[in-house]
Amino acid sequence: AQSVSQHNHHVILSEAASLELGCNYSYGGTVNLFWYVQYPGQHLQLLLKYFSGDPLVKGIKGFEAEFIKSKFSFNLRKPSVQWSDTAEYFCAVNGEGNYGGSQGNLIFGKGTKLSVKP
Amino acid sequence: DAGITQSPRHKVTETGTPVTLRCHQTENHRYMYWYRQDPGHGLRLIHYSYGVKDTDKGEVSDGYSVSRSKTEDFLLTLESATSSQTSVYFCAISESGGLYNEQFFGPGTRLTVL
Repeated sequence: AQSVSQHNHHVILSEAASLELGCNYSYGGTVNLFWYVQYPGQHLQLLLKYFSGDPLVKGIKGFEAEFIKSKFSFNLRKPSVQWSDTAEYFCAVNGEGNYGGSQGNLIFGKGTKLSVKP
Repeated sequence: DAGITQSPRHKVTETGTPVTLRCHQTENHRYMYWYRQDPGHGLRLIHYSYGVKDTDKGEVSDGYSVSRSKTEDFLLTLESATSSQTSVYFCAISESGGLYNEQFFGPGTRLTVL
């Protein structure tokens, strides 16, 4: 079965620090990859996605992620974080045949909480 | 934001009572999903629907049932609520299934089972 690992449970940074959140998945077939963000008390919002093409994808609010197929990784980066980036970040993978069907349902990592100190 | 509403937004109930949560969308998307979010577990899929009257189980479907009689509504029922079902429940929708399944999430329902 597919799985998604997010290595850091809680990351604490000061404003202007650089951010990298790790995401690794286990699946040998074709995958599409997503990063979602959940601000405190809110629903999940899509930050960025990778379907195909350039493995370096840019999302909203200055975030980017790099798909490295050989490492089964899709790490999220931001050069300089702001206090408003305080949130929980979820990596998700969509591969064929999840849950025994062909619907391509998402599997989420357990999330990484980011706290940015002003 | 996608046109997704969930009702109720908060509910407190007692063990053994039935509970129904509603997800309503105005996007006319074919696919709808129910997830639960628990600390340390991320989001886990409960059930999903790929069309009116077409539903299937997800990772944590035990104790839950769903129905979809109209494109816009997807109901999640806890037949007899238990304390382990205390959670935040999110509905999501997507226009397409398969690999290109970009999901949009509703605001969530916080359910407490005493």
